[in-house]
Amino acid sequence: AQRVTQPEKLLSVFKGAPVELKCNYSYSGSPELFWYVQYSRQRLQLLLRHISRESIKGFTADLNKGETSFHLKKPFAQEEDSAMYYCALYSGGYQKVTFGTGTKLQVIP
Amino acid sequence: EADIYQTPRYLVIGTGKKITLECSQTMGHDKMYWYQQDPGMELHLIHYSYGVNSTEKGDLSSESTVSRIRTEHFPLTLESARPSHTSQYLCASSAGTGRNSPLHFGNGTRLTVT
Repeated sequence: AQRVTQPEKLLSVFKGAPVELKCNYSYSGSPELFWYVQYSRQRLQLLLRHISRESIKGFTADLNKGETSFHLKKPFAQEEDSAMYYCALYSGGYQKVTFGTGTKLQVIP
Repeated sequence: EADIYQTPRYLVIGTGKKITLECSQTMGHDKMYWYQQDPGMELHLIHYSYGVNSTEKGDLSSESTVSRIRTEHFPLTLESARPSHTSQYLCASSAGTGRNSPLHFGNGTRLTVT
């Protein structure tokens, strides 16, 4: 069965410091991974997907199949980045999305 | 504006009551989903639908039921609410499945059963 692990419940960084939110997955097939974000009082929304290899709001994430990881990174944290971040795995065989437990990012001014 | 709507946002209800959580989307999406989320925990898929008259149970066993009579409407019903049903319920939709079809979420319904 597929599984997504986000080991940190809370990550606190200072403004301007680098950010890395960890995500590991287990899945026997070819993974399709996403990061979703939920800002305060807003709905959960897509941040980025690995297939697009895009940078959104300065965030990037690289799929590392050898380490089964999809860590989210940003070189310089901004206060507006404070939010809950969820890593998600789409498993084609089951056509379902599995979410991790989420990491709360707190950027300290 | 195309969107996904959930009502009510908050609901406090007594044990044994029947409740229906509403979810509607105006994006023309075929796929719809219900997730349950407890504070600080992961989202658990409890029901999903790939189209009209199609409903499936998700990963997490749930005493709730769903229906999909119209493409845009995917209500979730609890016949007899219990305190263990206290949680946040998130409805989502997608145009398809997989990499090109991210989930679009509603604002959620926070249910408290007393």
